[in-house]
This record gives sequence, C-alpha cells and structure tokens, in this order.
Amino acid sequence: QKEVEQDPGPLSVPEGAIVSLNCTYSNSAFQYFMWYRQYSRKGPELLMYTYSSGNKEDGRFTAQVDKSSKYISLFIRDSQPSDSATYLCAMRANTNAGKSTFGDGTTLTVKP
Amino acid sequence: EPEVTQTPSHQVTQMGQEVILRCVPISNHLYFYWYRQILGQKVEFLVSFYNNEISEKSEIFDDQFSVERPDGSNFTLKIRSTKLEDSAMYFCASRGGQGVRETQYFGPGTRLLVL
Repeated sequence: QKEVEQDPGPLSVPEGAIVSLNCTYSNSAFQYFMWYRQYSRKGPELLMYTYSSGNKEDGRFTAQVDKSSKYISLFIRDSQPSDSATYLCAMRANTNAGKSTFGDGTTLTVKP
Repeated sequence: EPEVTQTPSHQVTQMGQEVILRCVPISNHLYFYWYRQILGQKVEFLVSFYNNEISEKSEIFDDQFSVERPDGSNFTLKIRSTKLEDSAMYFCASRGGQGVRETQYFGPGTRLLVL
C-alpha cells in the first residue's frame, strides 16, 4: 500500500464549478498536510498548508484534514481556467528531517 | 517575496559525467532538501540537510550522490557518475523553523537529461 494515495484524475470541469481533490494516507505520524499546484515542467507552488485536523480557507480554496479517517481534501470554488494545473497533496511527520511524501498528482482542466 | 532559486534550469550531460546542481534557499531557512521528479511520475524525496549534515536520505540517494552547503547561501547536489535513469527534474526546497515556516518552499527545478 502506498503511503499517500491521490485520486488520479484527470479531472475536467466547466468554469465556475466546485472542484474537490482528495488524498488518503496510511502513516499515522503525518501531522503537516500541504497542497501544491504544479504547472507543466515547473516547481511545486505551495497553495495551502494545514497542521493536524481541521479546515483552512484562503480565498477560493479550502483545505480539510480528517486525521481520524486519514483523508485530506482541497476544494476550489468558482474554478477558473487559470486553475488548470496538476495538484499535488503532500504530507510529513513532525521530525527534524521533515521530508514530505507526495501523492501522484491530479491534473485539473477548467474549461471556459 | 523570498524564493528558492536553482541553476542551471537545464543541464544536458553524457552518461558517466559528473554534474553539480545548485540552489540558493530562502534566507534564514534552516532545513534544505533535494527532491526529484521523473517525467510523468511523482515527486520523490532524495535527501534532507540540517546543521551542516544529512538528516535523512532515501534509497535513491546512493554513493553517487552528495550534497554540500559550501557557504552561507548555496546548497548543491552532486551526481558523480550520471546514469541514464538520473534524467529527471531536480527540485531544491527549503524550510524555516516553527509555525508557518514549517512548510517547504520549492525552487523552479533543474531539468537534467543524461544521454
């Protein structure tokens, strides 16, 4: 079993739709949960960061973490064509090394 | 806004040659990382570095790889004798300390092609 499983996609939605991106994980030690956006052949860009369980909102983006279910989500409201990218979930334990474990990524296309 | 920078953006090399990938982490960050992403695959952890020593390394990071922080600003990844399978995007990342600085910020990457 992979440590981090991400809904594979690809996902194609019309402009203005609500998008839900999801990851599950198996390592109970994970405490930091991140969502990155990656455009083709570019570096991951940090979108959202959550420590432990709960919700966090930033503009059109909402990140949810449910540690009891080992499940995290990213919601994008009023999606725009500029949101078209690959979204990566990542998580890490509270260790000194602090390495992040990534999901495979979900490619999102928002059609005008 | 501070950012991680990497040079070169692209590197083409012959199999067996040595390459050095360079990174300038965000100033005042304490933890440094190298990740790689083979085309079409997930981002994979290579190595973490803190207080001038390796904190953790993956099974990918074998004896052909080494990291160094030669001065107060640069962080380098050296591949001693490149193999075809080393072709990938290599990302440097850095992280601060407590609270919001706990997140890793990634550089734009170096695309390495081994022929």
